[in-house]
Amino acid sequence: QKEVEQNSGPLSVPEGAIASLNCTYSDRVSQSFFWYRQYSGKSPELIMSIYSNGDKEDGRFTAQLNKASQYVSLLIRDSQPSDSATYLCAVHSGGSYIPTFGRGTSLIVHP
Amino acid sequence: GAVVSQHPSWVICKSGTSVKIECRSLDFQATTMFWYRQFPKQSLMLMATSNEGSKATYEQGVEKDKFLINHASLTLSTLTVTSAHPEDSSFYICSAETQGNEQFFGPGTRLTVL
Repeated sequence: QKEVEQNSGPLSVPEGAIASLNCTYSDRVSQSFFWYRQYSGKSPELIMSIYSNGDKEDGRFTAQLNKASQYVSLLIRDSQPSDSATYLCAVHSGGSYIPTFGRGTSLIVHP
Repeated sequence: GAVVSQHPSWVICKSGTSVKIECRSLDFQATTMFWYRQFPKQSLMLMATSNEGSKATYEQGVEKDKFLINHASLTLSTLTVTSAHPEDSSFYICSAETQGNEQFFGPGTRLTVL
């Protein structure tokens, strides 16, 4: 059973701070890793994809992947109230065409 | 990013009727599309995987005769909820997958069965 674990939160950070969201996965042969943002009542939208160990930066977002420790994280710098949403981690294994989603972490950025 | 459309965005129907939801990838071809259902304040639940030109693969507990999926082309998949009942009321979301395994989601369809 492939599992993707996320702390459900809510994670509350002040505006301007760095929000750190973490995700662990059980399948060692996982190859593709994704972070999605979902606002309440809306469908998820892709924020970041990462495929190799290390950091990947895109604007205020940085995804970090450590395959040896089986975790992937998302850092949001200079957090804004508009970043308040649920963040979903998804993992795709090479042996399966079905991605596995975590249950999501709720992030609240307060002014 | 790639764009996925979904139609209708919301629908209200009477119990016993069937509802068809369309999912289109507008600027890329998707061999694989996924259908999800999400109840309020709950996580995404994968219902089925739709592959172009072949039968859909349903997750455990999802009735394939009730949720009919057709993936007739590389840009279109449809989900038909047959004989809908109030317990089928939910937020239905499709996604289309790129070759890099990135999923792009449609905006969702909110189904209310009276």
